[in-house]
Amino acid sequence: GESVGLHLPTLSVQEGDNSIINCAYSNSASDYFIWYKQESGKGPQFIIDIRSNMDKRQGQRVTVLLNKTVKHLSLQIAATQPGDSAVYFCAENRSGTYKYIFGTGTRLKVLA
Amino acid sequence: NAGVTQTPKFQVLKTGQSMTLQCAQDMNHNSMYWYRQDPGMGLRLIYYSASEGTTDKGEVPNGYNVSRLNKREFSLRLESAAPSQTSVYFCASSAVPGQGTNTEAFFGQGTRLTVV
Repeated sequence: GESVGLHLPTLSVQEGDNSIINCAYSNSASDYFIWYKQESGKGPQFIIDIRSNMDKRQGQRVTVLLNKTVKHLSLQIAATQPGDSAVYFCAENRSGTYKYIFGTGTRLKVLA
Repeated sequence: NAGVTQTPKFQVLKTGQSMTLQCAQDMNHNSMYWYRQDPGMGLRLIYYSASEGTTDKGEVPNGYNVSRLNKREFSLRLESAAPSQTSVYFCASSAVPGQGTNTEAFFGQGTRLTVV
């Protein structure tokens, strides 16, 4: 809900435009990365994932890019729709471990 | 297919009261997790259970206990609630991390807990 989203960076985009949300991850040993979407009052929902042996992966309207050199992950949403309004955050994991490290998130606002 | 189900959705406790948050998953996942989510912070791991019969501490375990009742169920207990435990709690489950491609964590809808 709203209490979860306080003080988050916000990206405002016009409906129909493309959105790019960025994430810097912390552990150079991480080899699995996930993007989640969290709508107000709901639990995080899986969007797309990528393993470190890839630098790009595409889903339906979404693309994840991975730059291991600078430990950077991005989520691109094509033709952003009002239903895309939510908090987006990345998670990293090292294979064989049970710890997922979550970013604090970015709020995406889609303007009509 | 319900995925991960948490109960209750909302709870108000007085300081010192105890309660148990329930979680069940129907995806036959081995691993289950409890996280808390606070404003301006990422999800923080309280406890996890790598497989049935095992539990381990995460980042912020103090004030909590867990029970992995069976493969499906993983409960979180607050023995003596404190205002600092006011948060939104999420249960999650996953296949064993690192095995195969689909090892993302699936989350429940959350429990919003207020301790007064």
